[in-house]
Amino acid sequence: KQEVTQIPAALSVPEGENLVLNCSFTDSAIYNLQWFRQDPGKGLTSLLLIQSSQREQTSGRLNASLDKSSGRSTLYIAASQPGDSATYLCAVSGSGSSNTGKLIFGQGTTLQVKP
Amino acid sequence: SAVISQKPSRDICQRGTSLTIQCQVDSQVTMMFWYRQQPGQSLTLIATANQGSEATYESGFVIDKFPISRPNLTFSTLTVSNMSPEDSSIYLCSVGGYRRGNTEAFFGQGTRLTVV
Repeated sequence: KQEVTQIPAALSVPEGENLVLNCSFTDSAIYNLQWFRQDPGKGLTSLLLIQSSQREQTSGRLNASLDKSSGRSTLYIAASQPGDSATYLCAVSGSGSSNTGKLIFGQGTTLQVKP
Repeated sequence: SAVISQKPSRDICQRGTSLTIQCQVDSQVTMMFWYRQQPGQSLTLIATANQGSEATYESGFVIDKFPISRPNLTFSTLTVSNMSPEDSSIYLCSVGGYRRGNTEAFFGQGTRLTVV
């Protein structure tokens, strides 16, 4: 059974710092991995998606990497801003070559960026 | 990408009653998914809703408690039946969309349900 773990559970940093959020999964036979942002009481906003054949994806100040064989992904946030404060969720989908569309989520990392 | 509208955005309900949540997508999609997020927890998949067939429920979720309709390729409803305070959660609708060369999951803004 696939399990997804995110470390740390919470993180507080001063504005301007670069930071790394970690995600690990127990079954490496995934179809893709997706990082989301969730603001308090809100839905999820997709940040980055990495297909199982890819190593990384970048969007603006965000960079996500994937090491499928070791069951790990990292989300790198450069030059953090107070507006980045949110919960960041990692989710994996599918098994091997098939994409069921079902997502299995980690518990999330709650980030606070202090001005 | 897909734009998803969920209604209501929030509600406070009496125990024993039922609430139906609507999910509308701006494009036709094959599969729609319903997730639950209990307070302080991550998301758990309730069921997959396919148009023209019965929904497929995950372990721990049953049709009598969470009946789902999927009348067409752009719309689905989730009903939370005979509610108790333990059903207080955020319920989210999700679809798969095609963006930047990949199939990506998109979510509605969620329905925050409080059962008193």
